[in-house]
Amino acid sequence: NAGVTQTPKFQVLKTGQSMTLQCAQDMNHNSMYWYRQDPGMGLRLIYYSASEGTTDKGEVPNGYNVSRLNKREFSLRLESAAPSQTSVYFCASSEPGQGVIAQYFGPGTRLLVL
Amino acid sequence: GENVEQHPSTLSVQEGDSAVIKCTYSDSASNYFPWYKQELGKGPQLIIDIRSNVGEKKDQRIAVTLNKTAKHFSLHITETQPEDSAVYFCAASYGNQFYFGTGTSLTVIP
Repeated sequence: NAGVTQTPKFQVLKTGQSMTLQCAQDMNHNSMYWYRQDPGMGLRLIYYSASEGTTDKGEVPNGYNVSRLNKREFSLRLESAAPSQTSVYFCASSEPGQGVIAQYFGPGTRLLVL
Repeated sequence: GENVEQHPSTLSVQEGDSAVIKCTYSDSASNYFPWYKQELGKGPQLIIDIRSNVGEKKDQRIAVTLNKTAKHFSLHITETQPEDSAVYFCAASYGNQFYFGTGTSLTVIP
């Protein structure tokens, strides 16, 4: 039981390049989330997926797209990376239906955009 | 939207002393308040949570209190140990929306 896994762990991009961050969970959770973490700003929600086939914007969605590929996988895509997207990205999952909506986080992807 | 403020941003305590971290929130619709511990280079890990229909919850050395009227909640760690050193985040949530505080870096001095 690996929990939430993320790939890659670290990535360097040039401005304008694109990339996809991958996330998978093996806890059979319905809900999945993408956050970014910046110094002094805590975690901010980019997008979330309440269940397979649905996605919704969070607090900071501009410049990102997501795909809920299936119940296990939720990917985040940067179409044209900008230096302002330099951050640590965390994926999380939860299962609201169990009455406890605790989120379980992955280890993060550190992205540097030059 | 929701606004969560967290204080202090840094906290140093002697081993064995207690540590208290406080958060306030703005949206009365928030009904779930988790606390996370984040160690260097790792993702946040849930350590305790409380729902809006409960005023206090305790789990061994960790406790959380919630004052819905004042819209604030606090994390209390007693008998601190060096392994408690980490960054702690509070959050307020309703539905699938989670809003995090800016974090408290706790250092426990042996």
